[in-house]
Order: sequence, then C-alpha cells, then structure tokens
Amino acid sequence: DTAVSQTPKYLVTQMGNDKSIKCEQNLGHDTMYWYKQDSKKFLKIMFSYNNKELIINETVPNRFSPKSPDKAHLNLHINSLELGDSAVYFCASSLRGSGTEAFFGQGTRLTVV
Amino acid sequence: AQSVTQLDSHVSVSEGTPVLLRCNYSSSYSPSLFWYVQHPNKGLQLLLKYTSAATLVKGINGFEAEFKKSETSFHLTKPSAHMSDAAEYFCVVRGEAGGSYIPTFGRGTSLIVHP
Repeated sequence: DTAVSQTPKYLVTQMGNDKSIKCEQNLGHDTMYWYKQDSKKFLKIMFSYNNKELIINETVPNRFSPKSPDKAHLNLHINSLELGDSAVYFCASSLRGSGTEAFFGQGTRLTVV
Repeated sequence: AQSVTQLDSHVSVSEGTPVLLRCNYSSSYSPSLFWYVQHPNKGLQLLLKYTSAATLVKGINGFEAEFKKSETSFHLTKPSAHMSDAAEYFCVVRGEAGGSYIPTFGRGTSLIVHP
C-alpha cells in the first residue's frame, strides 16, 4: 500500500488556468506538508498543516491554497497559473513531534505552457 | 530558527571508493536530523535518521552518519560507492521552531559515481 500518494503525477496546463493536486496519506499522521522543488532541486516548504493550525511560508503567492477535507488529505489548489509555477510539487506527512521522519509522495511535475 | 548547509553541491567519486557528503546544521533546540536520497525523476527515500539516541547512525544501502554536536555536523558516509548510489542527497533538520517542527531541507548534494 502506498503511504503517501499524490495525483496526478504529471500535469501540463496553460497559463491562467486553475488546477489542483491531490494528496492522501494512510499512515495516520497528524501533519501534512506541501513542498516545491525547483529546477535546481531545492525543496522549499510551502505549507504545513495539522488539524489545529496552518503554517504558510510567507513567500508563497496567495494564488496557492491548501485545502484539507480531513486528516488524511491535503490538496493543493493553484489559481491563475504562471510560467514560474512550473516545478515538481511534493506532498509529505509526519507525526507532529520532531523525532519522526516525514514520508513523501512521488511528486507531481507541473508544466505551465 | 533552524537551517541546514550542505557544503558541496556536487561530489564526484569512482566506484569502489569512499563517499563523504557534508552537512552542517543550525537549530535552537536539540534537533532530529535526516538524510534522504532522490534518484532521477523519483521521490524522496529516507536513508537514515538521528533522534538523540546513538550518535553513529546506520542506514540503508551501507550508508551511515555521525552526529557531532560540538561541530554541529551530520556528515553522510559510505565505505565503497556503487554506481547505483548516483543520486541527489538531502540533509534535513527538524527541530522546534516557533512551535512547529517543519522539516527543513539543505540545498542537496549531487553524487556522481564514475566507473
């Protein structure tokens, strides 16, 4: 069974469109994350969310918004897509405490044309 | 605040020779530290983790890392590189930062293995 799964794996879309990436974890974790990996492989946190608080990286444009229907899901919505949004987006989950590792999905490669 | 510095963006070794990937961290509290590996066009796989138990940590595929608090380092080593080790490696710190424990990534080290 896949621990953290995200869909789609590839997403090609035009500028100005609105798109969503879905993420689900079956590990019983209480915290989920979205990371953006740029062309230089750097992984930057975008959001951290548990059932109590949402932490937003202040550098993330407000066109990006996380939505969590329940503890096992954290979807990423992107409005008015721009060329610079092209990247690989990773979903992850963990328990809140510092001693546990985060588990990552396989990534979604978003290409904006 | 917490941060991780991976001292080399690229490391090139010959197959069968030792591997050393360097990582220094900064954290206000006793952190947990992790190494992840990413093969081309793949997701992130945990290699090993340090969580305040033994300072020498053994991971998968023959990798190990030593936590040195005095040097704020957590370098990753392997005695003998294999072609399949060629990948991107990330050092990650996780410590209390403003009430959250968000995993913070280093910029990554690309390991190149020559035949």
